[in-house]
Amino acid sequence: DIVMTQSPDSLAVSLGERATIHCKSSQSVFYTSSNNDYLAWYQQKPGQPPKLLISWASTRESGVPARFIGSGSGTAFTLTISSLQAEDVAVYYCQQYYTTPQTFGQGTKVEIK
Amino acid sequence: QVQLQESGPGLVKPSETLSLSCSVSGGSISGHYWSWIRQPPGKGLEWIGYIYYSGRTNYNPSLKSRVTISVDTSKNQFSLRLSSVTSADTAVYYCARGEPFLMFGDYTFWFDSWGQGTLVTVSS
Repeated sequence: DIVMTQSPDSLAVSLGERATIHCKSSQSVFYTSSNNDYLAWYQQKPGQPPKLLISWASTRESGVPARFIGSGSGTAFTLTISSLQAEDVAVYYCQQYYTTPQTFGQGTKVEIK
Repeated sequence: QVQLQESGPGLVKPSETLSLSCSVSGGSISGHYWSWIRQPPGKGLEWIGYIYYSGRTNYNPSLKSRVTISVDTSKNQFSLRLSSVTSADTAVYYCARGEPFLMFGDYTFWFDSWGQGTLVTVSS
């Protein structure tokens, strides 16, 4: 199985400041045949199911604010919240869908400083 | 917008079988891939397995010997059975719809619609 490792486990950021979450995969999730990274990001608020934010490492889902930015390729990925809002308090997960079983990172908890 | 709703017992005894159903509304179960995913309290997410409306399945190897996922298209629902449960199976169980990608001979998914989840506790 591909192991997804996120860092940090938690971070506290002031409102309006940048939050950066890292995700590393134990093997590359870039598929040369399609020229795509098979990496998604989810947001999970307390008591709610995860919500898909980003697919293909950097493509925002419809309705996701532009402050959520996905980047990276191969084995190293980043989710940046460019200007943290109160409603962004949540746990964020990366997930690879390059190979079955699809696997998730352990999650990064984002709080307000 | 498709909606999913899990249902089933919230308490299961050790060594018994966990059984959950997921009802799909706002869309047909046909033509789509459906998964079960679980989350132990305070922990991360684990994909359990998927079913296609035709009945094709694949399971996480870590659970394969104990898992059965089935579909009932007439009821627009699919189900999960997990046998020989232990306390390690205590988790919130989610059903979800997956966007499929054929990779190396089988399907992988991101998950774009989720149920609210149901907590199943394994305890005597």
